[in-house]
Amino acid sequence: AQSVTQLGSHVSVSEGALVLLRCNYSSSVPPYLFWYVQYPNQGLQLLLKYTSAATLVKGINGFEAEFKKSETSFHLTKPSAHMSDAAEYFCAVSDQPGNQFYFGTGTSLTVIP
Amino acid sequence: GAVVSQHPSRVICKSGTSVKIECRSLDFQATTMFWYRQFPKQSLMLMATSNEGSKATYEQGVEKDKFLINHASLTLSTLTVTSAHPEDSSFYICSAHPSGPRVEQFFGPGTRLTVL
Repeated sequence: AQSVTQLGSHVSVSEGALVLLRCNYSSSVPPYLFWYVQYPNQGLQLLLKYTSAATLVKGINGFEAEFKKSETSFHLTKPSAHMSDAAEYFCAVSDQPGNQFYFGTGTSLTVIP
Repeated sequence: GAVVSQHPSRVICKSGTSVKIECRSLDFQATTMFWYRQFPKQSLMLMATSNEGSKATYEQGVEKDKFLINHASLTLSTLTVTSAHPEDSSFYICSAHPSGPRVEQFFGPGTRLTVL
């Protein structure tokens, strides 16, 4: 079975500061891991994905995430926050292509000018 | 590429009526589509998995006779909320998994259902 825990339902950072959103997963098989972003009243947009290739994954809009098997983590980072980064972020895990995703509870990111 | 549309984006209906929501993959074929429900400030809850040409698989606690899912083609899945009640008001999001080895799902923009 798979599950995802996102620590911190709300994160606030100043514009230009480092963004760190935490995600820990549980999986009985090598996982596929994803970060999605959701703006108000919209669907989810894929930021990046881990598929057992490089452990450091670069995504869109300057985001990246590092897969750490020993820590069962897949934290999302961005060196410098922009006002447009304010949104809801979801971490998800799946065990194979075409199977359901298990989502974390989401982290709301606020960027302070 | 990999665009998923949903129609309508918003719908308001009276209690007791039925509402149909369409989910289309515009530029790819999707063997599998998923329907999620999202309450305000909460995560996505999987309702059912829809495979083209076969019956949908519903998650525990989801009434299959109330939430009718049809996946008639590789680019279209529909969710019909039958005899809607105010507690069915929610944000419904579909996703589509492209046929083949890709691992990600592509999400529609969601449908806001309000039942009066």
